[in-house]
Order: sequence, then C-alpha cells, then structure tokens
Amino acid sequence: KQEVTQIPAALSVPEGENLVLNCSFTDSAIYNLQWFRQDPGKGLTSLLLIQSSQREQTSGRLNASLDKSSGRSTLYIAASQPGDSATYLCAVTNTGNQFYFGTGTSLTVIP
Amino acid sequence: DTGVSQDPRHKITKRGQNVTFRCDPISEHNRLYWYRQTLGQGPEFLTYFQNEAQLEKSRLLSDRFSAERPKGSFSTLEIQRTEQGDSAMYLCASSLGGHSYEQYFGPGTRLTVT
Repeated sequence: KQEVTQIPAALSVPEGENLVLNCSFTDSAIYNLQWFRQDPGKGLTSLLLIQSSQREQTSGRLNASLDKSSGRSTLYIAASQPGDSATYLCAVTNTGNQFYFGTGTSLTVIP
Repeated sequence: DTGVSQDPRHKITKRGQNVTFRCDPISEHNRLYWYRQTLGQGPEFLTYFQNEAQLEKSRLLSDRFSAERPKGSFSTLEIQRTEQGDSAMYLCASSLGGHSYEQYFGPGTRLTVT
C-alpha cells in the first residue's frame, strides 16, 4: 500500500521568507502527484499537479518538483505572505482510481 | 462552471440514525471520488466512480456505507446506523476524465454523531 509522509508537520516563518515543504511516498510507480492547500474547516484547493513524466511545475510563487526514483516531491513557496497560512497536502495516485494523501504541513506566516 | 458542490454542509445526527450526503461534480467531469477526513489527518479515500460505475472501494467503506452515482452525474453517500466514530468531514472531488486526473474538491459535509 502506498504511504505518504509530509515533513515538517508544522512550520512557522516570518513574512517574506522562502520555504520548502516536503512530501515522500513509498511506491515510486506513481501516475501523478498533486499539491493542495486547505484552509481550516474548508475543502481542498488544487495548487499544482505533476505528471509522472515531469520534473517540476510552476504557478506564480509556487514551484513543485518531483523525483520519482527517490519517492520525493518538494513544494517551494517564494516570498511567503500571511495569506499563505494554511495546511498544505500532497496526494499521489498509482492508477488514477485511488489517491493517497499525506497528513499535511500546517504553515503559519507571521506578519 | 460552478465548482463541486456538496449538501448539506453540516449534519448533526444521533447514533443509530441513517444519513445521506449529496455531491454534484463539475459538469462534464466523469470521475468522482469520496473521501473522509478527521481532524489533523489527510483525506482518506473511500470510493471512486467513473460515470455511473463504482470502480474502486476502500476497505474503510464498511457495509454500513453505500455510495451511488445513478446517472453518472451527482452522487450520494449513505451511512446507515451511524456511530460516533463516523464523525468526520466527508469530501467529494471530481476530475475531467481521459488522461486528466487533476482533482477538484467540494467544500465538504461536516458530520457530527452524538
């Protein structure tokens, strides 16, 4: 069974800092990996999706990388803002029929 | 495109009662997923539909849980004889189909079993 781990579980940074969130998975035969943010009590918002054939994806201040062979992905957030405060989740799928999520990294950006 | 919608947003029920949740995916999305999320955890996969066919079910989905997607559009998730351990956020997601597996989530239904 695919297992997904996210480190750190919580992170607090001052506004303006660049930061990296980590996601690791045990079965490298993934089809894709998707990063989400979740605000308290709300649903998930898609941030970036990386296909298994891709190495990275970028959207604005966000950059996600994928290293399938080592079972790792990172989400890089540049110039963090208080509005970035949320829980960040990564999810992988091997077949597209079932997705496995990590437990998330809770990010607080201090003004 | 109004996004994925879920109804109700909150449900409080007494132990032993049956509850039903509804999910309306983004129109033309033929894949639909249900997840359960408890506090401090990531979503746990429950079941997956492609059009009206239920193609994958988690072992978490006990015989008290049933899901349907009768016409390949909206879906319902029913929990019979609810237990306190069923208290959680129930999330629905959809994706377009074909080679696109990017998931779009609804706001969730918060279930509290007293």
